[in-house]
Amino acid sequence: GAVVSQHPSRVICKSGTSVKIECRSLDFQATTMFWYRQFPKQSLMLMATSNEGSKATYEQGVEKDKFLINHASLTLSTLTVTSAHPEDSSFYICSAPSPVSYEQYFGPGTRLTVT
Amino acid sequence: QKEVEQDPGPLSVPEGAIVSLNCTYSNSAFQYFMWYRQYSRKGPELLMYTYSSGNKEDGRFTAQVDKSSKYISLFIRDSQPSDSATYLCATNAGKSTFGDGTTLTVKP
Repeated sequence: GAVVSQHPSRVICKSGTSVKIECRSLDFQATTMFWYRQFPKQSLMLMATSNEGSKATYEQGVEKDKFLINHASLTLSTLTVTSAHPEDSSFYICSAPSPVSYEQYFGPGTRLTVT
Repeated sequence: QKEVEQDPGPLSVPEGAIVSLNCTYSNSAFQYFMWYRQYSRKGPELLMYTYSSGNKEDGRFTAQVDKSSKYISLFIRDSQPSDSATYLCATNAGKSTFGDGTTLTVKP
């Protein structure tokens, strides 16, 4: 079946630095991808909708200047956490809607730790 | 009010038990209903998906939708330790709306 990959799977960075997370659809094209954040023992929180060739749509309360999203091609969306702080430490997951059903394909997630 | 409310759990059951996981939703326009399973430190994966009201069975899993009461259920028969995970209900397509998840532990 369709696969969505994320890279890196785990990253540790220092406070104040920026981190880029990649999300790729491996065998299908995705004009839309979604970025979620998940804190321990909590559900997925939608951060933003990434649209190929146009600006991302951010959910209320998500700082667009802090979480930069670029959807430069039909198979790649990137999330850059700028000037990361310890409170940004979380599990970031992307997903892409299936082109043939109502399923969403999720990536394996990226665990970000900011020290 | 959240669009999808899920029974919070956590749930702990002995191996072989029947498990019932439940959600309610508020938007009567929702037509597609999904259950995702998420193992610790992994992305969610689709377990089952149904359209409109009724039951759908897949092995030990049965998904049930009652649109009149806006109620979604997932039943697991003969539960196994490998079923231990967080289960998320979701509705509709594209920008799916997720419940908060119920963490299930099946003890051997």
